Amino acid sequence: NAGVTQTPKFRVLKTGQSMTLLCAQDMNHEYMYWYRQDPGMGLRLIHYSVGEGTTAKGEVPDGYNVSRLKKQNFLLGLESAAPSQTSVYFCASSRILAQTDTQYFGPGTRLTVL
Amino acid sequence: AQSVAQPEDQVNVAEGNPLTVKCTYSVSGNPYLFWYVQYPNRGLQFLLKYITGDNLVKGSYGFEAEFNKSQTSFHLKKPSALVSDSALYFCAVRDDTDKLIFGTGTRLQVFP
Repeated sequence: NAGVTQTPKFRVLKTGQSMTLLCAQDMNHEYMYWYRQDPGMGLRLIHYSVGEGTTAKGEVPDGYNVSRLKKQNFLLGLESAAPSQTSVYFCASSRILAQTDTQYFGPGTRLTVL
Repeated sequence: AQSVAQPEDQVNVAEGNPLTVKCTYSVSGNPYLFWYVQYPNRGLQFLLKYITGDNLVKGSYGFEAEFNKSQTSFHLKKPSALVSDSALYFCAVRDDTDKLIFGTGTRLQVFP
């Protein structure tokens, strides 16, 4: 049982390049989330999904797109990277009873945009 | 709107001493409160949560948190700190759309 995994662990992009971050969970969770973590700002929700085939915007969705084609995977895409997207990205998942349930986090992806 | 505040960027404590990491919240309705810990270069790990019931909640690694409705606080505590407790601690509150709102984090440094 690997929990929540993220690929890649590190990435450096040039401004304007695109990339996709992959999140996978093997806990059969319905809910999945993408956060970004910046110094002094805690974690901010980018997008989330309440089930396969569904996605919704979080607090800071601009410049990102997501897809949830399979229940176990949640992809985060950057179509045209900007230096402001330099951050550490975390994926998380939880069961369907999200209101009181625990979120399980992946190890993070450190992205630098030059 | 729901919010959570962690007033201290860093807390320093000597090993063996009690520790407290502060958190205050603002919610409309019943609060669902969480503490997570982040060790260096790792993702967040769940420590404990308050949903309802006893005001003192016990969690992982000997941590506990006290819910105080009148002071709208949910402070994290441990009777005797360990060097290995040094990490970044996040308080979070569930908002009315079932999403977590995180505080800015408090870095706990435990000195030998």
